[in-house]
Amino acid sequence: QSALTQPRSVSGSPGQSVTISCTGTSSDVGGYNYVSWYQHHPDKAPKLMIYDVSKRPSGVPDRFSGSKSGNTASLTISGLQAEDEADYYCCSYAGRIYVFGTGTKVTVL
Amino acid sequence: QVQLQQSGPGLVKPSQTLSLTCAISGDSVSSNSAAWNWLRQSPSRGLEWLGRTYYRSKWYGDYAVSMKGRITINPDTSKNQFSLQLSSVTPEDTAVYYCARSGPPYYDYYYMDVWGKGTTVTVSS
Repeated sequence: QSALTQPRSVSGSPGQSVTISCTGTSSDVGGYNYVSWYQHHPDKAPKLMIYDVSKRPSGVPDRFSGSKSGNTASLTISGLQAEDEADYYCCSYAGRIYVFGTGTKVTVL
Repeated sequence: QVQLQQSGPGLVKPSQTLSLTCAISGDSVSSNSAAWNWLRQSPSRGLEWLGRTYYRSKWYGDYAVSMKGRITINPDTSKNQFSLQLSSVTPEDTAVYYCARSGPPYYDYYYMDVWGKGTTVTVSS
């Protein structure tokens, strides 16, 4: 199972929006509505930001939103803030296994 | 509140077996509504799911294809914890290892919502 494809980096100024894509196949992203997104700051545990494609856990700001079309899922951060600077990973259930994305570094300019 | 506490050595010699433990508080390793996962993160490979164990009338284990043959994840019901054993390690297995909770198959809970703090493991002689 190959890793899901994400852009290596995206950037934006405070207040702007950025979107991270996550491309897989019909065996993972396209085959299940079980895409999740994780925020990872250095030296911290990853944090769940989105699950089931577009649902937000309690406590996650509504600036974070998720969507999916075909084999590609997306995470959008609206109203970018300094604390959003981190690595972001998508993840898809793929039938008894999980596949993660290659990771995207979000930089707040 | 569910918490996961990791323990284990930070240095392992090449060809040896890496062993880590994740102690659970606030939930049960035998829960029918949870699965217990191991993942790792490295600069070269990003975040990688390694495998999970869960209980549904009996114990099951699912593993990443890339890990098969080298990995074992075992529950310890007496201590409410689970462990990772990765054999024949090489420097490429150097990473931060995390334990995490998700749901078992058919439970509509396919994400990692609780994570341990991570253990840095270096494979070096």
